[in-house]
Amino acid sequence: GAVVSQHPSWVICKSGTSVKIECRSLDFQATTMFWYRQFPKQSLMLMATSNEGSKATYEQGVEKDKFLINHASLTLSTLTVTSAHPEDSSFYICSARDTRVDGYTFGSGTRLTVV
Amino acid sequence: GESVGLHLPTLSVQEGDNSIINCAYSNSASDYFIWYKQESGKGPQFIIDIRSNMDKRQGQRVTVLLNKTVKHLSLQIAATQPGDSAVYFCAERANTDKLIFGTGTRLQVFP
Repeated sequence: GAVVSQHPSWVICKSGTSVKIECRSLDFQATTMFWYRQFPKQSLMLMATSNEGSKATYEQGVEKDKFLINHASLTLSTLTVTSAHPEDSSFYICSARDTRVDGYTFGSGTRLTVV
Repeated sequence: GESVGLHLPTLSVQEGDNSIINCAYSNSASDYFIWYKQESGKGPQFIIDIRSNMDKRQGQRVTVLLNKTVKHLSLQIAATQPGDSAVYFCAERANTDKLIFGTGTRLQVFP
């Protein structure tokens, strides 16, 4: 089946620094990937849609200059949290759309803690 | 810091009983629905899906029902087991590729 690898699984960074999270589709090509954020005891909130070879589409209220998304290949999308603050601490999850079967596969998530 | 948000509704069932988890979706144009299971600290795991041209679909121990008239989706788990304990989310897709998640329900299975 379709597998999505997300790395790192957890990261601790200092306020003001930037953190990059990678999302890879291992056995299929994904022209579209998605980035979600999840706070404790809440649902997944869509942040942006990552499109291979073009700019990402951000949901309302998500700062595109703070959450930089790059989808340079058909198997890799990255999310960079720039100038991280403690309120950015959250669980970030990526998803890749597998058009072969019209399905969505999720990564295992990244726990970001900003101190 | 940690945000203060709504706590997830909880369904408690005894091992061996059937569980029914409900979801109200928002967009009448949604054409595809998926149920996910999420364990603590992990990403969502696909359980079962259904398209808008169907009203019922069955898998192994799970059944999804779709009522488009009232925009309601349910997940039935037969013979619930301790390993079923997790948070369950419904997700809908409308007009675009995006999946939008519902609020979620925590399922607790006790012996």
